Amino acid sequence: AQTVTQSQPEMSVQEAETVTLSCTYDTSENNYYLFWYKQPPSRQMILVIRQEAYKQQNATENRFSVNFQKAAKSFSLKISDSQLGDTAMYFCAFRTSWEGGGADGLTFGKGTHLIIQP
Amino acid sequence: DTGVSQNPRHKITKRGQNVTFRCDPISEHNRLYWYRQTLGQGPEFLTYFQNEAQLEKSRLLSDRFSAERPKGSFSTLEIQRTEQGDSAMYLCASTRGGANEQYFGPGTRLTVT
Repeated sequence: AQTVTQSQPEMSVQEAETVTLSCTYDTSENNYYLFWYKQPPSRQMILVIRQEAYKQQNATENRFSVNFQKAAKSFSLKISDSQLGDTAMYFCAFRTSWEGGGADGLTFGKGTHLIIQP
Repeated sequence: DTGVSQNPRHKITKRGQNVTFRCDPISEHNRLYWYRQTLGQGPEFLTYFQNEAQLEKSRLLSDRFSAERPKGSFSTLEIQRTEQGDSAMYLCASTRGGANEQYFGPGTRLTVT
């Protein structure tokens, strides 16, 4: 079974700073997908960024980028120029590849509560 | 708003009662998922449907839980004989399938007293 670990329950940074959220995972699969989801207070969970394990290039979406280290099974999220609206719970999630069959649901970490201070 | 809706948004029930939740996915999405999220935890996968077929169930889905997706459109999740441990946020998500992004609904918060 896959596991996802987020070791930072809470982080707080000043607006405009850069922050990195950590995520490690454990799997015996070779092909899989990794995601970062954002869950703002009392709002719906939305996808921030995704990474396919077979791609060596790290994914980037505007101010959000990942550092994917497949051998180390590490998938950190970097938020540059942080904004007040980035305040939310951030969840790292894992999914096996469809081609490999197996579980289709996402496996989530416990989350990191990110607070952006004005 | 992701386009996935869930009703009711909040439900308070007494222990032993049955409850039913509804999820309306994005219309062209053929896959629908149910997750449970307890306080301070990430969502945990419960079950998923491809069209009307329920293809996978987690061990978390005890025999008191049942899910349906008639005609491959909306889905319902029923919990029979609720227990206090069932108190949680129940999330629904939908996708076109494969490794596409799952779009989450706002959830139904269940409180069992």
